[in-house]
Amino acid sequence: AQKVTQAQTEISVVEKEDVTLDCVYETRDTTYYLFWYKQPPSGELVFLIRRNSFDEQNEISGRYSWNFQKSTSSFNFTITASQVVDSAVYFCALSEGVNTDKLIFGTGTRLQVFP
Amino acid sequence: DGGITQSPKYLFRKEGQNVTLSCEQNLNHDAMYWYRQDPGQGLRLIYYSQIVNDFQKGDIAEGYSVSREKKESFPLTVTSAQKNPTAFYLCASTPGGGGSGANVLTFGAGSRLTVL
Repeated sequence: AQKVTQAQTEISVVEKEDVTLDCVYETRDTTYYLFWYKQPPSGELVFLIRRNSFDEQNEISGRYSWNFQKSTSSFNFTITASQVVDSAVYFCALSEGVNTDKLIFGTGTRLQVFP
Repeated sequence: DGGITQSPKYLFRKEGQNVTLSCEQNLNHDAMYWYRQDPGQGLRLIYYSQIVNDFQKGDIAEGYSVSREKKESFPLTVTSAQKNPTAFYLCASTPGGGGSGANVLTFGAGSRLTVL
């Protein structure tokens, strides 16, 4: 069965600290997609990144970076020099198949960044 | 600006009453989805529709109903049969079509339903 595990329920850091959010997934598919979404207090989920299973290249976007490792079925997300505005719930998600937009979500990690 | 509009943002319902949550999109997307979010449980799929006049049950469809009479609209009715309806409900859409891989879901701002 497909599954996404975000073991960290809540993380608290002080501004300017680096923080890594873990995501471990299970799937029998050879082709799949992984996503990260951010849910600020307003409630709307905001797309951050999509990665397909054939692309293990790490990605950096400003203060955000993602480390995809198929060998350990992990897709971890790091925020460098965190800011108060990064406070949100972050969800990792896995596509149910290649030709579907349905996603399986992890339970989310609540990040609190204190000034 | 294109996007998804959900209404109402907050809704209170007495036990035994049906309630309908609205979801409208102007993105010209074919596919629409309803997710339920409970504290500590992530998002779970209730129903989805890949084309007008067609929809499929998700993982937790019991006690819910939907319709898709127009491309732009995908209302969700929470019926009295839903045992624990208090939750945050999120509507989403994608261009649909598949073929090239999973599209990015665009979400609305959500509707919070509380049963009194």
